[in-house]
Amino acid sequence: ETGVTQTPRHLVMGMTNKKSLKCEQHLGHNAMYWYKQSAKKPLELMFVYNFKEQTENNSVPSRFSPECPNSSHLFLHLHTLQPEDSALYLCASSQVGGRTNQPQHFGDGTRLSIL
Amino acid sequence: GESVGLHLPTLSVQEGDNSIINCAYSNSASDYFIWYKQESGKGPQFIIDIRSNMDKRQGQRVTVLLNKTVKHLSLQIAATQPGDSAVYFCAEIIMNTGFQKLVFGTGTRLLVSP
Repeated sequence: ETGVTQTPRHLVMGMTNKKSLKCEQHLGHNAMYWYKQSAKKPLELMFVYNFKEQTENNSVPSRFSPECPNSSHLFLHLHTLQPEDSALYLCASSQVGGRTNQPQHFGDGTRLSIL
Repeated sequence: GESVGLHLPTLSVQEGDNSIINCAYSNSASDYFIWYKQESGKGPQFIIDIRSNMDKRQGQRVTVLLNKTVKHLSLQIAATQPGDSAVYFCAEIIMNTGFQKLVFGTGTRLLVSP
């Protein structure tokens, strides 16, 4: 149990579908992150939310739309995805601010397959 | 959950041996480093961290060494067990206006045979 829960664990969708990935953290952290882990690249940062405000969009296409309604929940809305978007999508959270860094804690990811 | 398809360097060891996994990082301004372990079907799991004002830190069966001169990080696992088989990533942390930006290496696959 990592304290970061992601649902669904697996998702298969067509290119014209709209779906959402959900992440919830139970650690009291103030920052949340979306990462993409694909077969051909290292882990890539997509979005960062700090105190519910988006502070980083790492040149992610607009077919990915994040939402952070509060500091414990993070969503990634998906629409008109491409086959190359098939990957493992990981959510993480951390506590930022203060005098010391703290490690990010990851969920187990959503395995996304685009048909 | 591991980076299947990437040409990951692989370290194969026998159970009970010590393992050393190496990592080179790129940013001399990074002040915090983390080792993660990722087992199949799971997300990265925190193992140990080290701050840039240290050159060594020990945990339970693991030791991280930091050489800032050559920007090199290593993870030593003592008495490696089959349960240690996984992909191991190092990450350097760059603080950017109040959030952490992790830059991950490509990972090393550790295979432990009984």
